[in-house]
Amino acid sequence: LAKTTQPISMDSYEGQEVNITCSHNNIATNDYITWYQQFPSQGPRFIIQGYKTKVTNEVASLFIPADRKSSTLSLPRVSLSDTAVYYCLGPRDNQGGKLIFGQGTELSVKP
Amino acid sequence: DAGVIQSPRHEVTEMGQEVTLRCKPISGHNSLFWYRQTMMRGLELLIYFNNNVPIDDSGMPEDRFSAKMPNASFSTLKIQPSEPRDSAVYFCASSPVGTLRSSYNEQFFGPGTRLTVL
Repeated sequence: LAKTTQPISMDSYEGQEVNITCSHNNIATNDYITWYQQFPSQGPRFIIQGYKTKVTNEVASLFIPADRKSSTLSLPRVSLSDTAVYYCLGPRDNQGGKLIFGQGTELSVKP
Repeated sequence: DAGVIQSPRHEVTEMGQEVTLRCKPISGHNSLFWYRQTMMRGLELLIYFNNNVPIDDSGMPEDRFSAKMPNASFSTLKIQPSEPRDSAVYFCASSPVGTLRSSYNEQFFGPGTRLTVL
């Protein structure tokens, strides 16, 4: 069954770089890896997407090794407002259809 | 653009009552998704429409749940009769492309409807 695995929670301090790694062992050849962010009482928000190597935008960077079995979301110099749940989406379900949101990583940024 | 609009934002009802949740997707988006989020099960996709046509409803938990999309700017999710275990936050999302079987995965989520069934 298609599955992503992420740490359930992480703690950080303001100004630090945070790296959240997701494993997706059975990702399909044509699947992209996507990360979403969810603040309390809000819907998830798209952060970044990539296929392999490195992708960077104004919010984050995404590192994907050659075997694509994992990916790392990197948040540079986090602030208190980056406290949220971060979801990694990769493999589709075993029917080849819908993408699956995993349990996410709850990031807590402290002053 | 106002983003995805959902109503009501909060709904409290009694077991056995009919509940209707509403969603207005972003103008021009041709895909619409209904999700349910609970602490126990996380974020689950219930149903997905493309160009107003239901494509995948395998996530709809029971016959008590139904969804319609009569036009490109409106969708409803109905629960009849409602049960306490239906209590959750229901999200609607839209996307400019069909994402479930393609590689482009950006979906725009609404603020959600928090449903409590007593």
